[in-house]
Amino acid sequence: KQEVTQIPAALSVPEGENLVLNCSFTDSAIYNLQWFRQDPGKGLTSLLLIQSSQREQTSGRLNASLDKSSGRSTLYIAASQPGDSATYLCAVRPSSNTGKLIFGQGTTLQVKP
Amino acid sequence: DAMVIQNPRYQVTQFGKPVTLSCSQTLNHNVMYWYQQKSSQAPKLLFHYYDKDFNNEADTPDNFQSRRPNTSFCFLDIRSPGLGDAAMYLCATSSGETVEKLFFGSGTQLSVL
Repeated sequence: KQEVTQIPAALSVPEGENLVLNCSFTDSAIYNLQWFRQDPGKGLTSLLLIQSSQREQTSGRLNASLDKSSGRSTLYIAASQPGDSATYLCAVRPSSNTGKLIFGQGTTLQVKP
Repeated sequence: DAMVIQNPRYQVTQFGKPVTLSCSQTLNHNVMYWYQQKSSQAPKLLFHYYDKDFNNEADTPDNFQSRRPNTSFCFLDIRSPGLGDAAMYLCATSSGETVEKLFFGSGTQLSVL
């Protein structure tokens, strides 16, 4: 059974710091991995999608990497800003279970001015 | 230019009183999903449709049902809401069930009194 874990559960950093959020998954048989952002009481905003054949994806100050063999992904945020404060969720799409995204519980990030 | 639209944004219902949540999409995607997210937890898939083919998760309670009358609309019916059904309900779409990206709506926050 695929399980997704995100560590740490919460993170507080001063503005301007570079930071890394971690995601691990137990089964490497995946189609892709997707990172989302969720603001309090809101829906999910897709940040980056990495297909299983890819190693990384970049969008602005965000860079996500994927090491499928070790079951790990990282989300790197450069020069963090208070507006980056949110919960970040990673989710994998198992190739053994059509359609389903399996989520981690998220890392809640606070960036202090 | 919202692509996945959920209504209402907030829904309050009484214990045992049926409630319907709605989702519409302008993306013409084949697949629509309903996720339940309880406070500080990972989103959990309830069911999804590929076109009109309905796929129910094994652990989705019978109290939850869904309808997809056409490509654009999908409804979540909760027949007899209990206090434990209070949650954020997230609708998502994708063009396929494997490598495609998921797009989420802004969610409906359900309260049960």
